[in-house]
Amino acid sequence: KQEVTQIPAALSVPEGENLVLNCSFTDSAIYNLQWFRQDPGKGLTSLLLIQSSQREQTSGRLNASLDKSSGRSTLYIAASQPGDSATYLCAVISGTYKYIFGTGTRLKVLA
Amino acid sequence: GAGVSQTPSNKVTEKGKYVELRCDPISGHTALYWYRQSLGQGPEFLIYFQGTGAADDSGLPNDRFFAVRPEGSVSTLKIQRTERGDSAVYLCASSPTGQETQYFGPGTRLLVL
Repeated sequence: KQEVTQIPAALSVPEGENLVLNCSFTDSAIYNLQWFRQDPGKGLTSLLLIQSSQREQTSGRLNASLDKSSGRSTLYIAASQPGDSATYLCAVISGTYKYIFGTGTRLKVLA
Repeated sequence: GAGVSQTPSNKVTEKGKYVELRCDPISGHTALYWYRQSLGQGPEFLIYFQGTGAADDSGLPNDRFFAVRPEGSVSTLKIQRTERGDSAVYLCASSPTGQETQYFGPGTRLLVL
């Protein structure tokens, strides 16, 4: 059974810092991996989707990497801003549709 | 265009009551998914529809939970004899054909007293 773990569970950093969020999964037979952002009381916003054949994806200040063989993905956020404060969720996609989520990392960026 | 919408945004009910949660997917999306997110946890898969039929309902926790999508667009998640443990955010998502990224709605926050 696929299990997804995110470390740390919570993180508080001063504005401007670069930071890394970690995601690990137990079964390397994944279809894709996706990072989401969730603001309090809101739904999920997709940040980056990495296909299983890819090693990384970049969007603005965000960079996500994928190492299937070791069952790991990282989300790198450069020059963090208070507006980045949210919960970040990692989801592995088994088959073509079944998303299995981690428990998330709650990020707080202090002004 | 409009995204995935869910109604109600909040629902408070008493233990033992019946509730219905509604999801309007993005127009034209044939695939629709329901997830449940408990406090401090990530969303957990409940059921996947392809058109009108449930292609995978392996995530439904028990027979008190049922979902329909009679015309292949709007879906309703139905919970009978609600229990306090059913309190959670119920998220709906849709995708064009079921093989692309999923687009999530804002969720319905269910509180069972």
